[in-house]
Amino acid sequence: AAGVIQSPRHLIKEKRETATLKCYPIPRHDTVYWYQQGPGQDPQFLISFYEKMQSDKGSIPDRFSAQQFSDYHSELNMSSLELGDSALYFCASSLGGTGYQETQYFGPGTRLLVL
Amino acid sequence: AQSVAQPEDQVNVAEGNPLTVKCTYSVSGNPYLFWYVQYPNRGLQFLLKYITGDNLVKGSYGFEAEFNKSQTSFHLKKPSALVSDSALYFCAVRRGYGGSQGNLIFGKGTKLSVKP
Repeated sequence: AAGVIQSPRHLIKEKRETATLKCYPIPRHDTVYWYQQGPGQDPQFLISFYEKMQSDKGSIPDRFSAQQFSDYHSELNMSSLELGDSALYFCASSLGGTGYQETQYFGPGTRLLVL
Repeated sequence: AQSVAQPEDQVNVAEGNPLTVKCTYSVSGNPYLFWYVQYPNRGLQFLLKYITGDNLVKGSYGFEAEFNKSQTSFHLKKPSALVSDSALYFCAVRRGYGGSQGNLIFGKGTKLSVKP
């Protein structure tokens, strides 16, 4: 079965640079979530989209922005990168909006290292 | 506010023995609970969820979890552990219900180590 695809899988950036992470949800899934997992930490919710509209916002820095496109893929744009942004970034997708019964399926993550 | 607690940082089990990974929750309203497993340098894999109905939920790879409303617990169990079950396990609760605010709130994770 098709899974969530994230690219790139690994990314190395310098401080103050920008990065763009991409997420391709499972086919027919209309909802995308972004999570950040720091070293040894649990995943923290950043932002979510349903039908190309932002549906909820978590602890996402103002330096970050995201959007969901007409084909339902999503991009997380990160600017003015800081050392503390080094983390594993997960995308998850689900079907049918953010309804409570829906399971979120996670991608393999993008490991970002800021030097 | 919704929250999840995993009281054990690590659980050690001998292969073939039963395993339990503990999770307690605090929610307002009905709880929607999930278990995920994370292998090193991999994404989170969905194991099982409790939404409503039978308190014993069966999931992937022989895992099951028991929802206990009076004890506000959702412990993950497996009758016979395998070395390949060694991984990091996360319990999660769905924030809000219906409409938006559907993101997951995770516990701190429990590292399961199964020895041969």
